[in-house]
Order: sequence, then structure tokens, then C-alpha cells
Amino acid sequence: QVQLVESGGGVVQSGKSLRVSCAASSLTGLPFSAYGMHWVRQAPGKGLEWVGFITNAERTYYADSMKGRIIISRDNSKNTLSLEISSLTVEDAAAYYCATDGPNRDIDQWGQGTLVTVSS
Amino acid sequence: QSALTQPPSVSAAPGQKVTISCSKSSSNIVSDYVSWYQKFPGTAPKLLIYEDNKRPSGVPDRFSGSKSGTSATLVIAGLQTGDEADYYCGTWDTRLTVWVFGGGTKVTVL
Repeated sequence: QVQLVESGGGVVQSGKSLRVSCAASSLTGLPFSAYGMHWVRQAPGKGLEWVGFITNAERTYYADSMKGRIIISRDNSKNTLSLEISSLTVEDAAAYYCATDGPNRDIDQWGQGTLVTVSS
Repeated sequence: QSALTQPPSVSAAPGQKVTISCSKSSSNIVSDYVSWYQKFPGTAPKLLIYEDNKRPSGVPDRFSGSKSGTSATLVIAGLQTGDEADYYCGTWDTRLTVWVFGGGTKVTVL
């Protein structure tokens, strides 16, 4: 089991950039570096939207809708995952969740999310 | 519009059964397994079903999944008021190398 805690949310002006982070702890069995990690978001009143994924080998995959505006990175020495979003718009306002890539082609362990509000 | 199509809502009385479908809206999606997620407002999603039909430890056997062809199905039997939530299917598109979620289905217990 892994405990995931997101941080870095808040109110940001449209057009600015934001970095949200995810700290992993309570790692039993596998180190953080062994996990692939996802970012998923949910805008108010909307469904889940996949943002992107970084493998344990640090290869990244991004949603087409966000490609070019986001960077997902990880610092295995600090058990931390990051998501940088540039050129924020009101459509980026959402709860952002980090989650582990499961061993069975699923997304299995989730953080509680951090809320991003974009002011125009 | 999501590449995985779910009904926006389903409902049934307590004790009854609901079925939620998840259909590939595009034949271009190439994926293997489907997983299902339960989402309550203000809380993190929870993995409910993985590899089409397997339950993680702790998920009641009232929840079951299946897949046939390009459609997957989640069945909630013996519906309880605590099952009122949004349910999402998801899969990894191996051709486009992106994860895809369905649009979500709201389950209401009448």
C-alpha cells in the first residue's frame, strides 16, 4: 500500500503556470521508483479526465488535450511526483489526483486530490 | 465525448440490481483490460474491478464485471443506499498510448 498526498492547489490567474505535487509514503514492499504514476483530474460537475502518466523508467505519456502545456516529472529520492501546467485557463479548474499505475492495467491507489481554481 | 460510452444514469430500488455498460465508441481503440472505479463526491476514486472481472481485496462480491467484444459491464447486485455514487470505466489504449475513461454513470438508489 502507498499513501499519496497531493499539494500545491489553490487559486491561480488565467494564463499563469502551476505546479502540483504528490508525496508518496508508507511504501511497503516496493520503492516509489518502482511505480508508474498517473495524474487524473475532475472539473466541477464533470467526469474523470486522465491527464498523463510517467513510467518507472520516467517515460511520459500525456493526454492529447493537454500535450504541450504539461510536464510530469518525478524525484525518486524524495518520493515525489509533480505536474506542471502552463497557460492555465478556466477549463483547467479541477481537483487533481495522483495515483499509482496498477500491475493489472489499472489505476489502483489514489490520493485525496488537490483543488485548483483558475481566476479570469 | 469520451471514447468509452456509459449511460449517464441508472437507478433501482434497494436490493435490486443495476447494470452499467461501457462501450467503445470508436473501433480505433485498442485495449486489453477494462477497470471500473467508484467515485463519491469530494473523495478519491476507488478501484472496484480490474482485468475486466476481478475484485480487489475488500470489494464486496455484489460488484461484478464482465466483458464481451467491445463492451464491458459492471453489475451491482443487492443495491444499497451506500452504493449511490458515480461509476467510471477505464482502459489503456495501447495504440494511442493514452488512458481513457468513460463519461461516468450516476447510480441512484430509489
